[in-house]
Amino acid sequence: DAKTTQPTSMDCAEGRAANLPCNHSTISGNEYVYWYRQIHSQGPQYIIHGLKNNETNEMASLIITEDRKSSTLILPHATLRDTAVYYCIVSLSGGSNYKLTFGKGTLLTVNP
Amino acid sequence: GAGVSQSPRYKVAKRGQDVALRCDPISGHVSLFWYQQALGQGPEFLTYFQNEAQLDKSGLPSDRFFAERPEGSVSTLKIQRTQQEDSAVYLCASSPSSSGGAGRNIQYFGAGTRLSVL
Repeated sequence: DAKTTQPTSMDCAEGRAANLPCNHSTISGNEYVYWYRQIHSQGPQYIIHGLKNNETNEMASLIITEDRKSSTLILPHATLRDTAVYYCIVSLSGGSNYKLTFGKGTLLTVNP
Repeated sequence: GAGVSQSPRYKVAKRGQDVALRCDPISGHVSLFWYQQALGQGPEFLTYFQNEAQLDKSGLPSDRFFAERPEGSVSTLKIQRTQQEDSAVYLCASSPSSSGGAGRNIQYFGAGTRLSVL
């Protein structure tokens, strides 16, 4: 699986958009980009995933660059409850794609 | 509906003691995973079940670690002769998908069991 690079930490003001970047320059054509988050003392929570196109759901939006070498997770109106570690994961489709390889992620702190 | 349930939430063991950690996945979920999370690190894959079959145990750190899912639902992770380096949070996840594509990477996690070995 391709390696990802994320900033160690970020801050965001409550009510503002949080934009979390992820670099995955060695991503291959059949690898998906997944985002999970982990709130303190909880298990990771799936947020969103994508292959080529931008995606949006009730939690967030995922913007993938045209060359697929980077992506951005957008939380449109961050709340204090969005404070968590956010993990960007790249994984193959098919075969042994069930292993999620977490890095250290980005600690997002939403401030009042 | 009910999510993935893990018990106990906290376990303190003396070095050398055997422990058993339980995972109740979401009902009907075919795939079940165990991960280990050390302090300050992301979770690391331990093992994968599809129904009752353990298809991948490549992440188990040693032969002291054993996992089972005999009836394809509840799973138990057993650690024999615990060592201090086994101290970590053990996370269980389940997924409704058993096939390829993006499905099995959408996993639903429990809150974990925090194991402290003294």
